[in-house]
Amino acid sequence: DGGITQSPKYLFRKEGQNVTLSCEQNLNHDAMYWYRQDPGQGLRLIYYSQIVNDFQKGDIAEGYSVSREKKESFPLTVTSAQKNPTAFYLCASRRQGAVTEAFFGQGTRLTVV
Amino acid sequence: GQSLEQPSEVTAVEGAIVQINCTYQTSGFYGLSWYQQHDGGAPTFLSYNGLDGLEETGRFSSFLSRSDSYGYLLLQELQMKDSASYFCAVRGFSNTDKLIFGTGTRLQVFP
Repeated sequence: DGGITQSPKYLFRKEGQNVTLSCEQNLNHDAMYWYRQDPGQGLRLIYYSQIVNDFQKGDIAEGYSVSREKKESFPLTVTSAQKNPTAFYLCASRRQGAVTEAFFGQGTRLTVV
Repeated sequence: GQSLEQPSEVTAVEGAIVQINCTYQTSGFYGLSWYQQHDGGAPTFLSYNGLDGLEETGRFSSFLSRSDSYGYLLLQELQMKDSASYFCAVRGFSNTDKLIFGTGTRLQVFP
């Protein structure tokens, strides 16, 4: 079955540590996205990538970093510079040129302890 | 900047019709989409408007007016399972794949 997978589902981090969230898709999609969602809030764009080896900052990129070395993978690193990292993180992908349907992973809930 | 505003919450009873509005302060996008998200789950795609006008998909319809910077999602024959958050989204600024979402509307359906 094709889909988009995020791991882990729950993640706990100590203050001051970097942590990497995984996002893998086997849909052969070119575009991939990372969003942050706080309780009762909308989805805010962190980074997006339109093609391998290229990515662009979204609206809240500070304290985050990404890479896109393979088409299938778009990991997100939450660095110690992110002052309030506790949130629900969602990864999405979509086929370029398509009517704008994005497919989402099941999310990673990150908690700083 | 680019922003899409939605009412924070809407309530309705089973069988009723509800309209969720989306007003935006942006331009140059390809179309307006709607997504549904149940608590703790992933957003799923509902509908897309590339052109002005009404698109109908079963119980759900969506409308876009670029001249009014406005769109809405219409849900008919509401069911309890429709209780969820609904987000509008736009894509394609400056010919990119940037995809941004609205503030979200939480719909509660009561018996």
